Amino acid sequence: GQNIDQPTEMTATEGAIVQINCTYQTSGFNGLFWYQQHAGEAPTFLSYNVLDGLEEKGRFSSFLSRSKGYSYLLLKELQMKDSASYLCAVPTGFQKLVFGTGTRLLVSP
Amino acid sequence: NAGVTQTPKFRVLKTGQSMTLLCAQDMNHEYMYWYRQDPGMGLRLIHYSVGEGTTAKGEVPDGYNVSRLKKQNFLLGLESAAPSQTSVYFCASSPDRAIPSSYNEQFFGPGTRLTVL
Repeated sequence: GQNIDQPTEMTATEGAIVQINCTYQTSGFNGLFWYQQHAGEAPTFLSYNVLDGLEEKGRFSSFLSRSKGYSYLLLKELQMKDSASYLCAVPTGFQKLVFGTGTRLLVSP
Repeated sequence: NAGVTQTPKFRVLKTGQSMTLLCAQDMNHEYMYWYRQDPGMGLRLIHYSVGEGTTAKGEVPDGYNVSRLKKQNFLLGLESAAPSQTSVYFCASSPDRAIPSSYNEQFFGPGTRLTVL
């Protein structure tokens, strides 16, 4: 089966950098997704990692270590609009996603 | 291109009533999914479909039924609603995985907020 852990809540200040961690245990590995979800809205895709290392996409970067079962999402130059929940997920057969419970990020001025 | 749409957006039911949630996608995706999202529990898969005419159970299928008569539509039915089914329901779709080393993200609909009294 799959087990995914991420912190429940984090706070940060506008302009700062924040790292959201995700640890996972899976039977077989087919990559790891990060989604962003603003309150009352649908999740939207942020990133996908299948190989070890850092993938950078503008202010957001995602890192994966398959040997450690560990990923993180790095958000730079935080903006108020980054206040949202960040969901870590691993795909299983037929691309079904198993989600962590999500990390709610609150960005303050 | 509307993407994934869901109807209705909100619904209040009484215990024992039935209803159907409709999901439609215009991206010609093969795979479709129904999730529920509850506070502190994240998104959990109810049922999914890998193509027209096929359905399969996910993690939490009890109390729900689904149908995929047309490729673009995926219906979620509650035959006899219970207060435990109060939740936000999300539909999602993704294309078939054509290249083994690639990935296909899921695209989510806006959600349906269901309250069962």
